[in-house]
Amino acid sequence: KQEVTQIPAALSVPEGENLVLNCSFTDSAIYNLQWFRQDPGKGLTSLLLIQSSQREQTSGRLNASLDKSSGRSTLYIAASQPGDSATYLCAVCDNNNDMRFGAGTRLTVKP
Amino acid sequence: ETGVTQTPRHLVMGMTNKKSLKCEQHLGHNAMYWYKQSAKKPLELMFVYNFKEQTENNSVPSRFSPECPNSSHLFLHLHTLQPEDSALYLCASSQGDRVYGYTFGSGTRLTVV
Repeated sequence: KQEVTQIPAALSVPEGENLVLNCSFTDSAIYNLQWFRQDPGKGLTSLLLIQSSQREQTSGRLNASLDKSSGRSTLYIAASQPGDSATYLCAVCDNNNDMRFGAGTRLTVKP
Repeated sequence: ETGVTQTPRHLVMGMTNKKSLKCEQHLGHNAMYWYKQSAKKPLELMFVYNFKEQTENNSVPSRFSPECPNSSHLFLHLHTLQPEDSALYLCASSQGDRVYGYTFGSGTRLTVV
């Protein structure tokens, strides 16, 4: 059974800092991996989707990488802003169309 | 709005009430999902529907009853819930092969009193 772990559980950084959020998964036979953002009490907003054949995806200040062999993905946020404060969730979809979520990293960017 | 709309946004119900949550997607997807998100726990998959047919029931208690009348609409009927059922209930949709990932709604915050 796929297990998804996100470290750290919480992170606080000053505005302007570059940061990396980590996601690890136990079964490398994945179909794709998706990073989401969740604001308190709200739904999930998709940030980036990486197919199993891809190594990275970029959108604005966000860059997500995927290393299937080591079971890892990272979400890099450049020049962080207070508006980036949210919980970031990693979700892994396997070849049986089963999607597993990590518990998330709660990010606070201080002005 | 993401293309997946959930109503109501907030719901408070007593343990003897019957209520329903609604989800509607305008993306042409053919798979829809119900997730439960409790405080400080990962999202828990509850039900999966592909082309209106339920393909997964993740050992959910019978007090939660899903209904999918067509590929665009999904309901979650609630009756005789417990206080521990209080949570954020999220609906999502995708193409059947999930190649474009999932799209989530804004959720319904349910409080059982």
